[in-house]
Amino acid sequence: AQSVAQPEDQVNVAEGNPLTVKCTYSVSGNPYLFWYVQYPNRGLQFLLKYITGDNLVKGSYGFEAEFNKSQTSFHLKKPSALVSDSALYFCAVRHPFTGGGNKLTFGTGTQLKVEL
Amino acid sequence: NAGVMQNPRHLVRRRGQEARLRCSPMKGHSHVYWYRQLPEEGLKFMVYLQKENIIDESGMPKERFSAEFPKEGPSILRIQQVVRGDSAAYFCASSPRSPMDTDNYGYTFGSGTRLTVV
Repeated sequence: AQSVAQPEDQVNVAEGNPLTVKCTYSVSGNPYLFWYVQYPNRGLQFLLKYITGDNLVKGSYGFEAEFNKSQTSFHLKKPSALVSDSALYFCAVRHPFTGGGNKLTFGTGTQLKVEL
Repeated sequence: NAGVMQNPRHLVRRRGQEARLRCSPMKGHSHVYWYRQLPEEGLKFMVYLQKENIIDESGMPKERFSAEFPKEGPSILRIQQVVRGDSAAYFCASSPRSPMDTDNYGYTFGSGTRLTVV
């Protein structure tokens, strides 16, 4: 079965500093990996995805993520955090071919707090 | 484009009552997915529907829960005889294509319905 782990419930960072939100996955074969962001009282918004190709993928709002197959990780990064980046971030995986099928499996979420 | 519309935003039900959650997908989207977010947990897949068809309901509890997506009108997630453990945020997502194609575009999620059972 596929699973996703976000080991940090909360990440605090000062504005202007780089941020990293961690995600590791457990899926056999080649997974499809996603990051979503949820602002208070809003639905999830798609940030970026990795399906194939370059291990470093760039997404919305200056975010990027690095796929590391040997470490089964897909950490979300941003070089310079903004207060407006404060939100709940979810990592998700979908295995395209074996089981999984239509489902996204989400991590438990990491609350990012960016302070002045 | 109004996006994915879910209503109500908040729903309070007493134990034993029925809860009906509605989801209107984005215009032109014919694929709908329901997810449930329990407190302190990530989103869990419940069901995937296309117009008039349930494609995958492997995440639906076996009893009391049902979903439909009729030819006309919104998708409905129905919970009969609600219990306190049903209290959660229920999210709907839609896409214009099958899951394989949707990977390139991402799902579009609604703002959710927060169900509280008292």
